[in-house]
Amino acid sequence: QVQLVESGGGVVQPGRSLRLSCAASEFTFSHYAIHWVRQAPGKGLEWVALISYDGSNKYYADSVKGRFTISRDNSKNTLYLQMISLRPEDTAVYYCARGGVAAAGTWAAFDYWGQGTLVTVSS
Amino acid sequence: QSVLTQPPSASGTPGQRVTISCSGSSSNIGSNTANWYQQLPGTAPKLLIYSNNRRPSGAPDRFSGSKSGTSASLAISGLQSEDEADYYCAAWDDSLNGWVFGGGTKLTVL
Repeated sequence: QVQLVESGGGVVQPGRSLRLSCAASEFTFSHYAIHWVRQAPGKGLEWVALISYDGSNKYYADSVKGRFTISRDNSKNTLYLQMISLRPEDTAVYYCARGGVAAAGTWAAFDYWGQGTLVTVSS
Repeated sequence: QSVLTQPPSASGTPGQRVTISCSGSSSNIGSNTANWYQQLPGTAPKLLIYSNNRRPSGAPDRFSGSKSGTSASLAISGLQSEDEADYYCAAWDDSLNGWVFGGGTKLTVL
């Protein structure tokens, strides 16, 4: 069964940094695009970032561009989200979600999701 | 303000058919496929419909999707109490060069 397990969330002060991880198992991680999607408390889903299967292409929502960096280590089956200059409005549950296979992966539906990790930005 | 527009709420009685709409534009639903996600209370989202009208393995056939022009729809027939959840549409947006979600529709089974 495909598994995605996020970690690294917590409480952080505005302006500080945090790195989230997403450990993948039970599928060939290096073949798939992977996304970060977040959900502020009581709000809807917001797509954050996407990385292609080989890490060569990265896409970001305008709300995080220049502050967040998505990366992956295919040898460790792990996805990362480095977040800097955090703002209170970045407070949310952050989910990683699997996209599609190989070159077409960018445009495929998100077929498996992790359970999420909560990031709270507050002084 | 979400790029894709959904009604904030919908409701129906058990056994009824309910439809949820998702309105977009030529840069997202108009030129790409729409996907639908179900989020039960307190859980992570789950893929319900992909490529406008295809169901992943395990999704009940009571759920169906369609697309026309720049809008997509999710239909639920034979409504059940366990269908009470939030539903989100999503599509790739060629202008934004990223994915966009609808604001979500909270479905209540009366």
